[in-house]
Amino acid sequence: KAGVTQTPRYLIKTRGQQVTLSCSPISGHRSVSWYQQTPGQGLQFLFEYFSETQRNKGNFPGRFSGRQFSNSRSEMNVSTLELGDSALYLCASNNGQSYGYTFGSGTRLTVV
Amino acid sequence: QQQVKQSPQSLIVQKGGISIINCAYENTAFDYFPWYQQFPGKGPALLIAIRPDVSEKKEGRFTISFNKSAKQFSLHIMDSQPGDSATYFCAASKFRNSGNTPLVFGKGTRLSVIA
Repeated sequence: KAGVTQTPRYLIKTRGQQVTLSCSPISGHRSVSWYQQTPGQGLQFLFEYFSETQRNKGNFPGRFSGRQFSNSRSEMNVSTLELGDSALYLCASNNGQSYGYTFGSGTRLTVV
Repeated sequence: QQQVKQSPQSLIVQKGGISIINCAYENTAFDYFPWYQQFPGKGPALLIAIRPDVSEKKEGRFTISFNKSAKQFSLHIMDSQPGDSATYFCAASKFRNSGNTPLVFGKGTRLSVIA
């Protein structure tokens, strides 16, 4: 059974640019959550999508957005990148009816 | 406001020793307490989890102890091995019919097991 797949693994972007990250959940999982991981703030929740609808949202500015497609794949977008957006962005999937979350390996975003 | 506080930040343990990591939570509505293990370059992987209806759960060398009245839970790694060297995160969430609340994570503990 394939795990959670995140692409790309690494990205380098310039301040002011925008970026789109992709996440393919485990087959059959309808919930996809996004987390930002930084050395200073740790793991912080960005948002969760379930059946193409945003179900929960963390405390991040509107520059961070996401969406989910009918096949449960999800994308997150960050516009007008800032140096502080440099982080590991993690996606986690869940079947929507149990507790366990499975994380992908993440996308390492570096903003220069 | 940090809802889950984890300690220590780093831990060095001799091979064969016991590693103990502690977490305290504030929100009494939480009803799911997982521990995640993360190796460099990888995402967190679920190690073991507990619900508040039991005080202890053991899986192999890993044990969670849960104290509901103190709002604390801890991870014990028995017979620690160099391969256990990783960062460990505690977390908490609440199950709802409309879906779990997001995981709230502790800041993490970097464990180094030395031979």
